[in-house]
Amino acid sequence: NAGVTQTPKFRVLKTGQSMTLLCAQDMNHEYMYWYRQDPGMGLRLIHYSVGEGTTAKGEVPDGYNVSRLKKQNFLLGLESAAPSQTSVYFCASSWDGTGGYEQYFGPGTRLTVT
Amino acid sequence: AQKITQTQPGMFVQEKEAVTLDCTYDTSDQSYGLFWYKQPSSGEMIFLIYQGSYDEQNATEGRYSLNFQKARKSANLVISASQLGDSAMYFCAMREVYNQGGKLIFGQGTELSVKP
Repeated sequence: NAGVTQTPKFRVLKTGQSMTLLCAQDMNHEYMYWYRQDPGMGLRLIHYSVGEGTTAKGEVPDGYNVSRLKKQNFLLGLESAAPSQTSVYFCASSWDGTGGYEQYFGPGTRLTVT
Repeated sequence: AQKITQTQPGMFVQEKEAVTLDCTYDTSDQSYGLFWYKQPSSGEMIFLIYQGSYDEQNATEGRYSLNFQKARKSANLVISASQLGDSAMYFCAMREVYNQGGKLIFGQGTELSVKP
């Protein structure tokens, strides 16, 4: 049982390049989330999904797109990377969006845009 | 708008002593949940403890307890008998029950250092 996994763990991009971050979970969770973590700012929600085929914007969605074609996978895309997108990206999943269901986090992806 | 505030950027505690990490929140909803996560230097986020807004008793999980004061809108984390392995960043987070998607709003974090 791997929990939540993220690919890749590290990536360096040049400004204007594109890439896709992959998140996979094997817990049959309905809800999945993408956050970014910047120094001194905690985690901020980029996009989320409440089930296969659904996505919604979070707090900081600009410059990112997402897709959830399969229940276990949640992809985060950067179409044209900018230095402001240098951050650590975390994927998380949860059984439900209510009550005490905690979010399980992946190990993170450290992205640098030069 | 919902907001989480952690006013202690860094804290030091002696090994085996207790420490309290502060968290205040702002919400207009009556139904919400409060979470604490630990982030060690390795980077992963580890769930510690949960408190629901209607829970009458403070949550406890082993050496972790949550001092929930609803009227003050505070949800402080208490770690008893600190260990060297408790050195990490600690994040307080809130979820409004009826917001779509169960989104978590995080505070800025508190870095705890445990001294031997």
